[in-house]
Amino acid sequence: GQQLNQSPQSMFIQEGEDVSMNCTSSSIFNTWLWYKQDPGEGPVLLIALYKAGELTSNGRLTAQFGITRKDSFLNISASIPSDVGIYFCAGRNNDMRFGAGTRLTVKP
Amino acid sequence: GAVVSQHPSWVICKSGTSVKIECRSLDFQATTMFWYRQFPKQSLMLMATSNEGSKATYEQGVEKDKFLINHASLTLSTLTVTSAHPEDSSFYICSASYNRGRLDTQYFGPGTRLTVL
Repeated sequence: GQQLNQSPQSMFIQEGEDVSMNCTSSSIFNTWLWYKQDPGEGPVLLIALYKAGELTSNGRLTAQFGITRKDSFLNISASIPSDVGIYFCAGRNNDMRFGAGTRLTVKP
Repeated sequence: GAVVSQHPSWVICKSGTSVKIECRSLDFQATTMFWYRQFPKQSLMLMATSNEGSKATYEQGVEKDKFLINHASLTLSTLTVTSAHPEDSSFYICSASYNRGRLDTQYFGPGTRLTVL
């Protein structure tokens, strides 16, 4: 099936550091999306990518749609304490599949 | 824009009772709504997809008679957990999608935490 492998599972970083996480798949996706979920809340869309090779930024966040359409990465620059949460990648064709999530902890 | 609400935000019920969860798209018409469940520290698992006015499509392993979905309008979908048991305790999240050409992206509700005693 269309399984997504998201890594790392968790990250513990110091405030101000940059963060990078990625998702890979054995299948091609037409759309890649990145969500952030705070505890007890639903996921919030951060960035949507629609074209292979596309590089999109949203403030301190940057995401890229891999040229093979089988992977995507998300970078967070100059992390701050409110970046804490779980980040999910999702790949979409006719349906949507989620990665297992990356739990980010930012130490002040 | 693209706000999705859920009600209730949390519910505690006795084993054997039924619980209804509402999902509303507040500022757009949702052609499709999705229901997910999420166990602690795990990813979202799609339960079913519903299009307004038609029967929901359930994922493999999800009992349609236990998780009743009604998508009566373009802004409201309901999930009813019938004869709930403790193993049904979970975080249930809906999402809604509208078709704007390629911008067919899901917007998530805040989730409903169900605890079955």
